[in-house]
Amino acid sequence: NAGVTQTPKFQVLKTGQSMTLQCAQDMNHEYMSWYRQDPGMGLRLIHYSVGAGITDQGEVPNGYNVSRSTTEDFPLRLLSAAPSQTSVYFCASSYSLIGEKLFFGSGTQLSVL
Amino acid sequence: DAKTTQPNSMESNEEEPVHLPCNHSTISGTDYIHWYRQLPSQGPEYVIHGLTSNVNNRMASLAIAEDRKSSTLILHRATLRDAAVYYCILGLNRDDKIIFGKGTRLHILP
Repeated sequence: NAGVTQTPKFQVLKTGQSMTLQCAQDMNHEYMSWYRQDPGMGLRLIHYSVGAGITDQGEVPNGYNVSRSTTEDFPLRLLSAAPSQTSVYFCASSYSLIGEKLFFGSGTQLSVL
Repeated sequence: DAKTTQPNSMESNEEEPVHLPCNHSTISGTDYIHWYRQLPSQGPEYVIHGLTSNVNNRMASLAIAEDRKSSTLILHRATLRDAAVYYCILGLNRDDKIIFGKGTRLHILP
């Protein structure tokens, strides 16, 4: 099993550009989520999904869109990148929320100029 | 959202036990207590979790207070590789958010 795979690992964008961060898991996990981590800070929840076709907002959803058309994939879209979105983005998945552990991807480092 | 409170940072000497505290006074009866850690330049990794009883695994032990309003992660013999940020979080099942706080930055002194 590959676990949770995030692509790309690094990305540089110009202000106003759009892009999609990819996240895929091969563990048949129902729960998937996206976090961002700014330098020296903890993780903040952006969006999450409890199954295909179901998504919801986390703590900091503005400027980001998600969709969950399959169990395996949970892409994060930046609609119009801003310098404030410069951060490291982590995708995580879990079989369920009740007593199950989260598996994290290795992260995407995004810089918006 | 139920929240946890942890010290910002702690220090410990190598090869000594480390006790990392976490307060979660608003925990509900069905919330699991999870601990994760994040090594430098890596994503978080699972350490341990529990509901009511104390738990042990190869990485650590989790001691849960009888009223469940606090817990302690115990590293029995710290090594330099244990230097990381440790997060205490609640696995909520009354909504579906898993919220991380700022965690405790653990420094290990050689």
